[in-house]
Amino acid sequence: EDQVTQSPEALRLQEGESSSLNCSYTVSGLRGLFWYRQDPGKGPEFLFTLYSAGEEKEKERLKATLTKKESFLHITAPKPEDSATYLCAVQASGNTPLVFGKGTRLSVIA
Amino acid sequence: DTGVSQNPRHKITKRGQNVTFRCDPISEHNRLYWYRQTLGQGPEFLTYFQNEAQLEKSRLLSDRFSAERPKGSFSTLEIQRTEQGDSAMYLCASSLMYSPLHFGNGTRLTVT
Repeated sequence: EDQVTQSPEALRLQEGESSSLNCSYTVSGLRGLFWYRQDPGKGPEFLFTLYSAGEEKEKERLKATLTKKESFLHITAPKPEDSATYLCAVQASGNTPLVFGKGTRLSVIA
Repeated sequence: DTGVSQNPRHKITKRGQNVTFRCDPISEHNRLYWYRQTLGQGPEFLTYFQNEAQLEKSRLLSDRFSAERPKGSFSTLEIQRTEQGDSAMYLCASSLMYSPLHFGNGTRLTVT
């Protein structure tokens, strides 16, 4: 069974304090790994898709990387507006539905 | 492109009542998904459609849940004889094949 484990569950950072979120996964043939951002009371908002080990994607202060067993979401010099829950999801080969982790709740304090 | 639209945003119902939610996907998207999310958890897959065909249902999905997508456009999710354990955020997402899912802002169901 496909599984996604995210750590830490919650992370509190000072503004400008860089850090990384972890997503470990087991999947029978990875087609893609996805990162989403979710604000309270809203649906998840797509950030990145990674397809193969070694791939990296960047958007503003966020950079996502992928290995054969895990993905990292690096946040450089975060701002309070980066506060949100960050969700990781995997899709197995065959275009099966996404399987999500529980997310990491990030708080950035000014 | 106005994004995925879900209605209502909030629904409060009494245990045993039936409820129906609606999802209007992004117009050119042929795939439509329903997920459920409870507090502190990630979204959990319920079912998905490609055009009007329902291709997969979660084996954890109770028979009280049914979804339709007539004519491959909007979709409805009905829950019959609601239970308190059905209280959750119900999320709809749409996509083209092999493209990322785009989510709506969900319908929050509270069963009293």
